[in-house]
Amino acid sequence: SQTIHQWPATLVQPVGSPLSLECTVEGTSNPNLYWYRQAAGRGLQLLFYSVGIGQISSEVPQNLSASRPQDRQFILSSKKLLLSDSGFYLCAWSVGAGAHEKLFFGSGTQLSVL
Amino acid sequence: AQSVTQLGSHVSVSEGALVLLRCNYSSSVPPYLFWYVQYPNQGLQLLLKYTSAATLVKGINGFEAEFKKSETSFHLTKPSAHMSDAAEYFCAVRGQAGTALIFGKGTTLSVSS
Repeated sequence: SQTIHQWPATLVQPVGSPLSLECTVEGTSNPNLYWYRQAAGRGLQLLFYSVGIGQISSEVPQNLSASRPQDRQFILSSKKLLLSDSGFYLCAWSVGAGAHEKLFFGSGTQLSVL
Repeated sequence: AQSVTQLGSHVSVSEGALVLLRCNYSSSVPPYLFWYVQYPNQGLQLLLKYTSAATLVKGINGFEAEFKKSETSFHLTKPSAHMSDAAEYFCAVRGQAGTALIFGKGTTLSVSS
């Protein structure tokens, strides 16, 4: 069966420090991968999605970046965190297409930037 | 471009009462529409999805949603609320195949005894 691992579960970082959140998927190949952020009062915001290795689409301008070094690995990074980067970050994966596509979420990372 | 608007960030109902969570969508192509639920301290789970096969979609835990093209709506309902339904609910839309899901801002459902 397919599983998704996202870590760490919680993270407290000072402003200006770097960030690296990792997400890996098991049990499937060539998944679509996504990073979403859930901030208070703003719902779920799509940050990045990837349909293959090295292919990253960015939905919003920000100081975050994403990389997909391997088929089932998706990394969210920042060189210098801002206070506004605080939030709950969710990795997700999907497989299939059109009506048969299903999206599955990881357990999330609560990031607090102080 | 696709978008969804969830009307009401908080909805409170009594146990046993009707649950109605509103979602309106905007899409330049026939959309796929979804409702997800997020229980406290957990990730998101798919409740149901509309993929043009039938306008009334039944999901898990007694929830259902009706796609109304004329109203560009996909409201989520449940005839009788349970305490365990208290959670945050997200409406989402996908337009063309291969594009990502776009979520609404969410509606927090509170259920009182």
